[in-house]
Amino acid sequence: DSGVTQTPKHLITATGQRVTLRCSPRSGDLSVYWYQQSLDQGLQFLIQYYNGEERAKGNILERFSAQQFPDLHSELNLSSLELGDSALYFCASSVGDTLYGYTFGSGTRLTVV
Amino acid sequence: QKEVEQDPGPLSVPEGAIVSLNCTYSNSAFQYFMWYRQYSRKGPELLMYTYSSGNKEDGRFTAQVDKSSKYISLFIRDSQPSDSATYLCAMSSNTGGFKTIFGAGTRLFVKA
Repeated sequence: DSGVTQTPKHLITATGQRVTLRCSPRSGDLSVYWYQQSLDQGLQFLIQYYNGEERAKGNILERFSAQQFPDLHSELNLSSLELGDSALYFCASSVGDTLYGYTFGSGTRLTVV
Repeated sequence: QKEVEQDPGPLSVPEGAIVSLNCTYSNSAFQYFMWYRQYSRKGPELLMYTYSSGNKEDGRFTAQVDKSSKYISLFIRDSQPSDSATYLCAMSSNTGGFKTIFGAGTRLFVKA
């Protein structure tokens, strides 16, 4: 167990729907990162939050949004889902802004049908 | 062209072999170089990180960085079936904002 908790582990939903993925970082970690992993794109950075504030943005679609709450857990909201959004979504955490490694959760596998 | 290139494999070796995994990159601003291991249905796990050029050893694992060639390697000695996983390289820079880019990952199979 890495200490980073992601729920749910699996999610199956229909096109056009909206889902929320949840992440609880390791105790003491202030930064949360969201990544998308698909077979053809590899691990793609979506967004980072640090202590409640958006810190960095990657290739995150406008249909996707995220936030980090005062208790430091984070949620990734995916709306108007398309078949191509099917992927593994990982959350990672670190104490601060780090350049040398994060702790990843086990991921949420999203299947859009 | 991707910022980080990594051969996806798969790479199949017999138990006990020395494994060499490699990545090339194009952005000279990268400062930290990392290797993650990812087992099936699990999140990536940090194996090692190196700052700038040079070598770093941790047990059976050795990471090498050659910034002049923009080339990094991970060597696994005395490979074991339990090393079978996907290995991802990653690189970080704080130029223009903090950024970590991952390679696509190389699938490794170690046969008993």
